[in-house]
Amino acid sequence: DGGITQSPKYLFRKEGQNVTLSCEQNLNHDAMYWYRQDPGQGLRLIYYSQIVNDFQKGDIAEGYSVSREKKESFPLTVTSAQKNPTAFYLCASRLAGSTDTQYFGPGTRLTLL
Amino acid sequence: SQQGEEDPQALSIQEGENATMNCSYKTSINNLQWYRQNSGRGLVHLILIRSNEREKHSGRLRVTLDTSKKSSSLLITASRAADTASYFCATDAGSNYQLIWGAGTKLIIKP
Repeated sequence: DGGITQSPKYLFRKEGQNVTLSCEQNLNHDAMYWYRQDPGQGLRLIYYSQIVNDFQKGDIAEGYSVSREKKESFPLTVTSAQKNPTAFYLCASRLAGSTDTQYFGPGTRLTLL
Repeated sequence: SQQGEEDPQALSIQEGENATMNCSYKTSINNLQWYRQNSGRGLVHLILIRSNEREKHSGRLRVTLDTSKKSSSLLITASRAADTASYFCATDAGSNYQLIWGAGTKLIIKP
């Protein structure tokens, strides 16, 4: 999964709880992305960041928050406002200014208890 | 927002046969990319074809792009059991470095 790590691999969330998913990359990529994948579905963009201290909402940002304090790190918090958080979450990175590929982490599977 | 649509949604073939998957999209693009996802894993980039290219090869993979029809196809020749995975197309329309993803084709190779 090429230089991007995600943790934990599995995560369980109770009602009313916030949880944070970690994403770290050592590829020196400027752009980072968070996607949500539901069973049998494609990827939907939650948030993305092109540079440190800057990020933009994707198509399904409600109930999620992110930060980008360091180039190599882009954590995602799934807040209690996200009522249906059960899904597979994928982090990706890409060299800014490039029209080339995204590199993906191994994913975190989040389940609402 | 999803731009790409893969066809078929699922495909089951015998090992050794060729597998063809199609992707259609809606807007002008800079490039189109194909990715593979093994069950429960992250996505792996397979091949990228730019808007001014019509065909590209990589090992057993052949990708074609028809910008007039806004469609692409991925051909896997001489399929192997290890090719069993979901395959996604993604288009780069030049918008904030975002890729727009299709829903994927689930490929099963029967031994």
